[in-house]
Amino acid sequence: DTEVTQTPKHLVMGMTNKKSLKCEQHMGHRAMYWYKQKAKKPPELMFVYSYEKLSINESVPSRFSPECPNSSLLNLHLHALQPEDSALYLCASSQGAGSTLIEKLFFGSGTQLSVL
Amino acid sequence: AQKITQTQPGMFVQEKEAVTLDCTYDTSDQSYGLFWYKQPSSGEMIFLIYQGSYDEQNATEGRYSLNFQKARKSANLVISASQLGDSAMYFCAMREPNSGYSTLTFGKGTMLLVSP
Repeated sequence: DTEVTQTPKHLVMGMTNKKSLKCEQHMGHRAMYWYKQKAKKPPELMFVYSYEKLSINESVPSRFSPECPNSSLLNLHLHALQPEDSALYLCASSQGAGSTLIEKLFFGSGTQLSVL
Repeated sequence: AQKITQTQPGMFVQEKEAVTLDCTYDTSDQSYGLFWYKQPSSGEMIFLIYQGSYDEQNATEGRYSLNFQKARKSANLVISASQLGDSAMYFCAMREPNSGYSTLTFGKGTMLLVSP
């Protein structure tokens, strides 16, 4: 099983809503990531969890709140988002925590988020 | 300064022909890793091929090969015998030792369209 599963695939929310994005992997990977991707742009790193601990937060606004309940699950809690937060949110995992250069990321299909 | 440069916003190729997607990079490290990812319209980022800076041979994975010219700091992706399913966005990415935690620096991408 080499899949990273993200739900939901599409999400529309108002600026006052609270919603969560979910990500799951069963490859035994110890690092998980959230990326944000605007249309026709490369992915931008948001958060990295290594061994279930938050290791990187790329100065992301507090309206985005990540959570890693266990080594297989990664959530992104959304609250009071702005229309400019509309984007594709990609989850990824990797076997380790960047100890080797060859380590590749496995990505999910993403959640397409629209904030009205 | 841009770390990864992909100068071709879009490329067109006919089915069964070969195509080269360009990627140049900038780093002062001697040790680094270069990746190519494919992103179809479905959104998932699919790993294609990896080249380490110390690898003496160009990487190959099926129809994908990497034309690695270290002195020129280029890592072009060659797709042989293009197929309609190759139509997608292609991203070149690099990992450097000091980035840690599997963070990848992505280029802006090249949109490839394969016509019948």
